[in-house]
Amino acid sequence: EIVLTQSPGTLSLSPGERATLSCRASQNINKNYLAWFQQKPGQAPRLLIHGASRGATGIPDRFSGSGSGTDFSLTISRLEPEDFAVYYCQQYGDSPETFGQGTKVEI
Amino acid sequence: QVQLVQSGSELKKPGASVKVSCTASGYSFTRYAINWVRQAPGQGLEWMGYIDTNTEKPTYAQGFTGRFVLSLDTSVSTAYLQISSLKAEDSAVYYCARGAAEGYMDVWGKGTTVTVSS
Repeated sequence: EIVLTQSPGTLSLSPGERATLSCRASQNINKNYLAWFQQKPGQAPRLLIHGASRGATGIPDRFSGSGSGTDFSLTISRLEPEDFAVYYCQQYGDSPETFGQGTKVEI
Repeated sequence: QVQLVQSGSELKKPGASVKVSCTASGYSFTRYAINWVRQAPGQGLEWMGYIDTNTEKPTYAQGFTGRFVLSLDTSVSTAYLQISSLKAEDSAVYYCARGAAEGYMDVWGKGTTVTVSS
């Protein structure tokens, strides 16, 4: 199975700052089928990005994804107060689908 | 609007069974797969498997075979997750999520909390 390693574990930033989250895969992700999710306490995950760089419906354009092969990143260009949450990457190119362990973005 | 509505929280004793439902609305149920994802308390997300709503064929991740059964009732646009012989370590929030054609999970239910305690 493909292991996804996210870094850093926690990112401490202020509103207005830029956040860059990393997701590294143990092997190439088929067709770059890599998604990013945001999860706030007590809520279900919310799809942000799919196919490594395609924004999901209704997601603000301050969220962007990039990367290919084994190295991917999620960038939040200017943090809004509502962006402080846990972010997960997930690959859906091979079975079993797997998630990274998450990056917490905190104030 | 497109939504997945899950059944309410469950408190079960060890050894019992539980059946969690996930009812879809706002789209054609048989056009999208239904995935199931587990989140243990304070932990990350774990993909359990999915069910093809066209063929009703389930696919299970390793670690979710045997006691876990995915099923459907397409007449009421509902997917089910049944867990038998419950153990304390099955205590978690269980999410259903719609699988888009490409495979990513685009719409999620709010989750069902299953607590296993004597």
